[in-house]
Amino acid sequence: DVKVTQSSRYLVKRTGEKVFLECVQDMDHENMFWYRQDPGLGLRLIYFSYDVKMKEKGDIPEGYSVSREKKERFSLILESASTNQTSMYLCASSLSMGLVAGELFFGEGSRLTVL
Amino acid sequence: GNSVTQMEGPVTLSEEAFLTINCTYTATGYPSLFWYVQYPGEGLQLLLKATKADDKGSNKGFEATYRKETTSFHLEKGSVQVSDSAVYFCALSDHIQGAQKLVFGQGTRLTINP
Repeated sequence: DVKVTQSSRYLVKRTGEKVFLECVQDMDHENMFWYRQDPGLGLRLIYFSYDVKMKEKGDIPEGYSVSREKKERFSLILESASTNQTSMYLCASSLSMGLVAGELFFGEGSRLTVL
Repeated sequence: GNSVTQMEGPVTLSEEAFLTINCTYTATGYPSLFWYVQYPGEGLQLLLKATKADDKGSNKGFEATYRKETTSFHLEKGSVQVSDSAVYFCALSDHIQGAQKLVFGQGTRLTINP
């Protein structure tokens, strides 16, 4: 059974703290993504990676960074958390299929509250 | 840039009612189109997809047809069940930086009452 696992379902952090969100996939997928989900805004892409040590900015990268040291693991880092980063964070992965968009497999999400 | 617009929710229906959730898109080129579903407390999962004009995606009684002339991909089901209560997201593919990413609509929350 394919699986994308996010390390924490719920986190509460304080403004200014450094936050790590971890994501691991067991499907040997090349592509990995971090989205945030907010009511009325849908999913917005923060960063993605199409290979180990490669990263590309998505639509809303400000205030975030990522790390991909191993193929199966993609971490999202909030260097100094702020209240406007309170959100649901979704990790996803997909196979590289050239010009064809592969199916995204999602984790269950990490709900982050910044106080 | 490429974008997706869904009908606003929430949508509330009775069991066995007919469902339509509208989705229109703006894109250059020929994207693939998707519907994802998010059940309560779970991550998103693919419901159906269509990769070219006039294709029909179908799954679990849901259908959507890729209409290039109206730039639409409306989701339909003939008879909904309580278990269909979820949030539905329309999405399109966008080729960028050597990879395919998905651009999502804002989501439509569907509640089915018994």
